[in-house]
Amino acid sequence: IQLTQSPSSLSASVGDRVTITCRASQGVSSYLAWYQQKPGKAPKLLIYAASTLQSGVPSRFSGSGSGTDFTLTISSLQPEDFATYYCQQLNSYPPFTFGPGTKVDIK
Amino acid sequence: EVQLVESGGGLVKPGGSLRLSCAASGFTFSDYSMNWVRQAPGKGLEWVSSISSSDSYIYFADSVKGRFSISRDIAKNSLYLQMNSLRAEDTAVYYCARDLGRGSRHYYGMDVWGQGTTVTVSS
Repeated sequence: IQLTQSPSSLSASVGDRVTITCRASQGVSSYLAWYQQKPGKAPKLLIYAASTLQSGVPSRFSGSGSGTDFTLTISSLQPEDFATYYCQQLNSYPPFTFGPGTKVDIK
Repeated sequence: EVQLVESGGGLVKPGGSLRLSCAASGFTFSDYSMNWVRQAPGKGLEWVSSISSSDSYIYFADSVKGRFSISRDIAKNSLYLQMNSLRAEDTAVYYCARDLGRGSRHYYGMDVWGQGTTVTVSS
């Protein structure tokens, strides 16, 4: 299963609503996770099962979708949200494919 | 505190071997499936290998199959990645990560990550 993410990068301002899309080449049911990674740091799990917010993650993050099309939304972008975001499918394995990433930087 | 700490990275020549370790603490290690994920310099995340909580199911990426092996020592709360026949393209930061599905045969996402250990394959 291949994952594509769009856009590959975006520039946004604090307070903006940001949406990142992940598309799977085959259906992955709801076995999709989203991660945030900052430079030099390990990834951080944000969302699992497509729409379940990981404990401790701010509620401005949300996920939706099932099958082949998924979205990660940040309702109001904060300074600490500038990072790279990855989706990962965990339905059909191996491999547990990651998407190529979406870099969110400051406009 | 739930924690994973990797070690064992370093500089190795092409064709050489290296064993990475990941020390787990703060949780019942045997209850969780564990993973290795790597990230080449300036690149995205690449899943490498997984071992189920029962050790019954082991998976590898095609890029490492036949060269890498994964194991765990429950008594030492440690996960290992034995890497043989290393290539330049194996150069990366290697992370160990826990799957959040405690006791589950399904995988849901990696909720605990180590800080990573750097492997450089170069002559």
